[in-house]
Order: sequence, then structure tokens, then C-alpha cells
Amino acid sequence: EADIYQTPRYLVIGTGKKITLECSQTMGHDKMYWYQQDPGMELHLIHYSYGVNSTEKGDLSSESTVSRIRTEHFPLTLESARPSHTSQYLCASSDVGPLGNTIYFGEGSWLTVV
Amino acid sequence: QQQVKQSPQSLIVQKGGISIINCAYENTAFDYFPWYQQFPGKGPALLIAIRPDVSEKKEGRFTISFNKSAKQFSLHIMDSQPGDSATYFCAARGNTGGFKTIFGAGTRLFVKA
Repeated sequence: EADIYQTPRYLVIGTGKKITLECSQTMGHDKMYWYQQDPGMELHLIHYSYGVNSTEKGDLSSESTVSRIRTEHFPLTLESARPSHTSQYLCASSDVGPLGNTIYFGEGSWLTVV
Repeated sequence: QQQVKQSPQSLIVQKGGISIINCAYENTAFDYFPWYQQFPGKGPALLIAIRPDVSEKKEGRFTISFNKSAKQFSLHIMDSQPGDSATYFCAARGNTGGFKTIFGAGTRLFVKA
């Protein structure tokens, strides 16, 4: 089992509210990711980080932002939630370099914006 | 953009049958090909993986077949069970530029009892 934790698991929030999805990993991995996924559908990379103070946008444009102040922590923030942000958000981590072969996923945060 | 094309989108198999999911890639700079399994309400988890220097890898009922010249690889699930019902993602990892992993679109497998 991977040691990567996401909170909250489920969140229902009103339009215009600010939310932060928390993600922590205890494996000491340098690389971390956020994916957006509708149930059973494609995984869309929205943010990634190669290490502390490193953040990059992924393949799918997202209005969310991320920060990486500590190796183990990679929170995602939506400043003003909209119904179109309703989705599942998966946090993940992996090792850096040619030996870092496995991506470990958290169980996801289900966001519903009403 | 680099792509990994996965088919079929969904698959229904009888219990005890063989489930086959196919993937094709375009970029020869991929050096690692994992398959992930995702159950409803959970994050994906690594199921089995292969490197391009071998043509087949077997772990229990799960086998990856890899055809380097055709740039194709597939997952075979032998003696499929209802507990195998899940979404399966193939992936390919680049060996340059940060070793980025590209995922296929996923295949929803349903095994009928």
C-alpha cells in the first residue's frame, strides 16, 4: 500500500468558495502530481512538481493552483469554485530518475460544486 | 503530443474467459510500460509492468505481451474473475525530459459471473 493521503475525501461546496485539497506522502518522493478524473474516465494531469519550490502545469488546463513548500506536502487550491470544477482529484507521487518507475496514487478527493 | 492509444473502451467477459486490452504508442523514447488497475472509488494502482527489452511478462493470471517493432503492447487476463472488474490503464514512460508517464484513456472491464 502506498503512503499517500488525501483530504477531504468528499466535499460539497457552494459556487465562489475557495477550497484547498490536501495531499501528503510519507515516502520521501520528489515527484508529485495532481490528476483530474471523471468516474472511470481518463486521467488528466493538471499539475506536477519535481521537488520543493518546483511546480509545473500539466497537459489539461486548470484554474487551480498548487504549491510545494515541503517535500511531503502538495496542496491544490481553487480560489473560486464553479460547477465545472466538479470532479475527482487524484494526488500521486513517484521517485525521480530512471529507477522511479511506479506512480503511487491516493484514493482521491471527490469535489462537488453546487 | 505524445500519445498512448488504448482499446477497447469497454469490455465484457464471461467468468473464466480471457480479457485482452491493447495499447499502441508512437514515441520510441518510451522505456517502461506499466499497467494500472483502478477499482471504483479508489486511485489507480500498479498491476504489472514491462521494459521493452523483453517480449512478455507474466504475473499470476496477468500477462503483458510487448511488440517493440509494432509499438504495441497488451494486457491479457486469464481465467477472468468478477473481482477483476475494474478500469485498466496502460501507460508509457519517457526516458528523457523528466521521465514523464503518459496514460491511455482506460478500459472498463466487466466480468460476468
